[in-house]
Amino acid sequence: QVQLVQSGAEVKKPGASVKVSCKTSGYTFSDYYVHWVRLAPGQGLEWMGWINPNSGGTNFAQNFRGRVIMTRDTSINTAYMELTRLRFDDTAVYYCARDQGETGGYSFDYWGQGTRVTVSS
Amino acid sequence: DNVMTQSPLSLPVTPGEPASISCRSSQSLLHGNGNNYLDWYLQKPGQSPQLLIYLGSTRASGVPDRFSGSGSGTDFTLKISRVEAEDVGIYYCMQALQSPQFSFGQGTKLEIK
Repeated sequence: QVQLVQSGAEVKKPGASVKVSCKTSGYTFSDYYVHWVRLAPGQGLEWMGWINPNSGGTNFAQNFRGRVIMTRDTSINTAYMELTRLRFDDTAVYYCARDQGETGGYSFDYWGQGTRVTVSS
Repeated sequence: DNVMTQSPLSLPVTPGEPASISCRSSQSLLHGNGNNYLDWYLQKPGQSPQLLIYLGSTRASGVPDRFSGSGSGTDFTLKISRVEAEDVGIYYCMQALQSPQFSFGQGTKLEIK
């Protein structure tokens, strides 16, 4: 069965970086884009960007350009999201999600369990 | 940027009664291929979001048929024919037409009266 399993919770100081992993299984990793979405306290879901595991190509939401890096390791079917220059308002739960592709209208059919990132001095 | 606006933001519902959530896009989500690139997700308390509806009206695998999606262009609706206690959570619409950019609505919190 399809699974996306994320790394554990992180506590970081302002200005630091955090790198979250998303290990996938149960499907061909290179065939489906992986998106990252976050949920901050009291806010709604916010789309951050995607990575094409086949090519490594990426695209980011305007709000995160210059601060987010998305990579992948095809040998272990894992996607990564690194957020740099952390601010207090980056405190959130970060999710990875699989994109169904064109036939699924680019909807997100499987999600990771979420990784809580806390930015605190 | 495509702005997604949901209403209402809070929706108290009696079990067994119907519920309806509206999602309006600032740009048309109707593609030339006839598909509307609009999805609905539900985030239950303490869980990851789950896909309910994609392409405006197609139920995702395993989603009960009391959930239905409709609409085209800029106006979309998610309907629950008879709300059950397990339906509580926050409902989000999301547009995927402006790919490679995606965006969510603000969310609608459904609670049981």
